[in-house]
Amino acid sequence: GDSVTQMEGPVTLSEEAFLTINCTYTATGYPSLFWYVQYPGEGLQLLLKATKADDKGSNKGFEATYRKETTSFHLEKGSVQVSDSAVYFCALSEAGSARQLTFGSGTQLTVLP
Amino acid sequence: SAVISQKPSRDICQRGTSLTIQCQVDSQVTMMFWYRQQPGQSLTLIATANQGSEATYESGFVIDKFPISRPNLTFSTLTVSNMSPEDSSIYLCSVPTGGRGFGYTFGSGTRLTVV
Repeated sequence: GDSVTQMEGPVTLSEEAFLTINCTYTATGYPSLFWYVQYPGEGLQLLLKATKADDKGSNKGFEATYRKETTSFHLEKGSVQVSDSAVYFCALSEAGSARQLTFGSGTQLTVLP
Repeated sequence: SAVISQKPSRDICQRGTSLTIQCQVDSQVTMMFWYRQQPGQSLTLIATANQGSEATYESGFVIDKFPISRPNLTFSTLTVSNMSPEDSSIYLCSVPTGGRGFGYTFGSGTRLTVV
């Protein structure tokens, strides 16, 4: 079945540091890929998405590129802020009609001032 | 995208009791998903609820423990029955929005503590 393998945390960075959170997936066909963010005490919010190979999703300075050749969707941000401290989830949904999401394990990010 | 109102946002319940969680969507959706997020863990799909048919449960989840209702295309409930401390989790509903792979909207979650 489908699976998502996500870089284990926790990750602690200083403000303005570069962020990479690795995500690789296993799926049949051409899944859609997502990054969700969960701020402390809040629900899940969609951060960005990509629906086909070589698509780049971007939002709030975060980027991720759908790499089919390496089955990866790594999350990057050039300069993190304290307000980016949250848990980040990589997820996929199977190709075709809307299906449930398969989530990675989540990565806790803490940004220190 | 759709907006989901989920309630309650949190509850503390006694062992052996049941809690019903509600999700109201501001638009009609065919499919609704219920997830569980155990403390410090990722999200696990409990079941998929389609209007007019029985919910489809994932391995490890059964209807007697997590009965689901889906009376119309904008509303669903999940009941956590005969609760034990192991049921302490965040429960979330989700709906697909905008067609294939466009996105999924989540409710704000119900933080359940069983004592």
